Amino acid sequence: KQEVTQIPAALSVPEGENLVLNCSFTDSAIYNLQWFRQDPGKGLTSLLLIQSSQREQTSGRLNASLDKSSGRSTLYIAASQPGDSATYLCAVMSETSGSRLTFGEGTQLTVNP
Amino acid sequence: SAVISQKPSRDICQRGTSLTIQCQVDSQVTMMFWYRQQPGQSLTLIATANQGSEATYESGFVIDKFPISRPNLTFSTLTVSNMSPEDSSIYLCSVERRLTETQYFGPGTRLLVL
Repeated sequence: KQEVTQIPAALSVPEGENLVLNCSFTDSAIYNLQWFRQDPGKGLTSLLLIQSSQREQTSGRLNASLDKSSGRSTLYIAASQPGDSATYLCAVMSETSGSRLTFGEGTQLTVNP
Repeated sequence: SAVISQKPSRDICQRGTSLTIQCQVDSQVTMMFWYRQQPGQSLTLIATANQGSEATYESGFVIDKFPISRPNLTFSTLTVSNMSPEDSSIYLCSVERRLTETQYFGPGTRLLVL
């Protein structure tokens, strides 16, 4: 059974810092890994999708990497802003689970002005 | 991308009643899913909504408690039946156009059961 872990659970940084969020998964047989953002009481916004054959994806100030063999992904946020404050969720689509996503517990990020 | 709407956005319900949540997508999609997010926790998949056939439920979720309909490729409903306070959660619908592509989520329905 796939298990997804995110570290740290919470992170507070001053504005302008570069930061890294970590995600690990136990079963490396995956189709893809997706990073989401969730604002309090809201739904999920898809940030980046990395297919199993890819090493990284970039969108603006966000860069996500994937090391499938070691079961790890990182989300790098450059020059953080107060508007980046949210919970970041990592989700994995395993080869044995069809299109079902297995989510981590999330990292709650606070960027202080 | 996909534009997804859910109704209602939030509700407060009494114990023992049922609530039906609607999910509407702006275009046809292959896959539709229903997730639950209990307070302070991450998302758990309830079921896959199959067009024209019965939904596929995950372990721990049953049709009698969470009946699901999917009459076409753009619409689905989830009913939370005989509610108890433990059902207080955010319920989210998600869609996927093709296998292994990005999943998009609706804004969620916040349910409080008293």
